[in-house]
Amino acid sequence: KNQVEQSPQSLIILEGKNCTLQCNYTVSPFSNLRWYKQDTGRGPVSLTIMTFSENTKSNGRYTATLDADTKQSSLHITASQLSDSASYICVVSGITDKLIFGTGTRLQVFP
Amino acid sequence: NAGVTQTPKFRVLKTGQSMTLLCAQDMNHEYMYWYRQDPGMGLRLIHYSVGEGTTAKGEVPDGYNVSRLKKQNFLLGLESAAPSQTSVYFCASSYSRGGVIQYFGAGTRLSVL
Repeated sequence: KNQVEQSPQSLIILEGKNCTLQCNYTVSPFSNLRWYKQDTGRGPVSLTIMTFSENTKSNGRYTATLDADTKQSSLHITASQLSDSASYICVVSGITDKLIFGTGTRLQVFP
Repeated sequence: NAGVTQTPKFRVLKTGQSMTLLCAQDMNHEYMYWYRQDPGMGLRLIHYSVGEGTTAKGEVPDGYNVSRLKKQNFLLGLESAAPSQTSVYFCASSYSRGGVIQYFGAGTRLSVL
């Protein structure tokens, strides 16, 4: 069964600290992996999209990594800000373009 | 440039009532999608459209109908609402399928009593 699992479910960090969110998937064959940021009460907003041939992709303070062999991805947030408080969703697409959404990691950044 | 706009933002229905959720996009995208988001679950695809006049079933289509009479609009209908349809509904659009960004609306929070 195609699944996307994220960890941790929730995370609390202090402003200015770094953090890493994890995503493991069983989708096969694999086409691409996306990370979305969802603020409370808002729709998801795309951060990165990576194909199987890409290992790393950055978007400002957000850096996503992908290991297609181990079917793992991570999202690293550098020098966190209060505005980073949100849910971060990992989404994996197979060759049929069907998107499999993870349940998200809820990040809270405190001053 | 508004992107993807959903109306209404909130709605409370009684069991058995009907309603229509409206999604409008101003990016000239061909593809449009309706998802639902429930606590503890990832977004699930209800229906989607690959162009004006087309619709297709997604992962959880039962109890919903859709129409795409105009390219910019995608309507989601509930003919007879049930408490199991209490959820947050998101519309999204993209210019194609495959590895492209889907742009999401702000969501409609629906409660069915």
